[in-house]
Amino acid sequence: DTAVSQTPKYLVTQMGNDKSIKCEQNLGHDTMYWYKQDSKKFLKIMFSYNNKELIINETVPNRFSPKSPDKAHLNLHINSLELGDSAVYFCASSRGDIQYFGAGTRLSVL
Amino acid sequence: GQQVMQIPQYQHVQEGEDFTTYCNSSTTLSNIQWYKQRPGGHPVFLIQLVKSGEVKKQKRLTFQFGEAKKNSSLHITATQTTDVGTYFCAGRRGGTSYGKLTFGQGTILTVHP
Repeated sequence: DTAVSQTPKYLVTQMGNDKSIKCEQNLGHDTMYWYKQDSKKFLKIMFSYNNKELIINETVPNRFSPKSPDKAHLNLHINSLELGDSAVYFCASSRGDIQYFGAGTRLSVL
Repeated sequence: GQQVMQIPQYQHVQEGEDFTTYCNSSTTLSNIQWYKQRPGGHPVFLIQLVKSGEVKKQKRLTFQFGEAKKNSSLHITATQTTDVGTYFCAGRRGGTSYGKLTFGQGTILTVHP
């Protein structure tokens, strides 16, 4: 069974559209994250939730809105997509500092 | 804010050669972790170092945490083609909440057979 699963794996869309990425973890962890990895492989944290509460909110445009319906799920909604949003988005979960990553969602904005 | 610099950005080696990547933080860290990301894959946790001067080994991989807890290294002995990928260090600054890691830029390792 996949520990951290995110969908979809690939997302190709036009500029200006709104899209969502879903993430679920079955590890029983309290904390979940969204990371963005750009074309140069740089990994940057975007958001973190602990038990459904937002605890990390880095400098991210307001177009990005995370939602955590329960501690096993963390979704990411993106409004008005821009070309610069093209990247791989990773969901992760942790107990303590060790992060367990999902397989990633490759977002391409055309 | 906290910065974690990782060098080199790229490393090409012949199979059998050794490889080292270095990580330096602008602030003292509570701990440091290392992750490996295979091409097309996701980062996978390798190890966590917590104590000043700590050294840990995993088969051909040796991890070190500096005495001042501001730098770390990963050394691979006799690389194999299965070692290809991007290696990231990630650290948490002392006093910050669990999970708020800053990742280094990563070192992309290519191993030529």
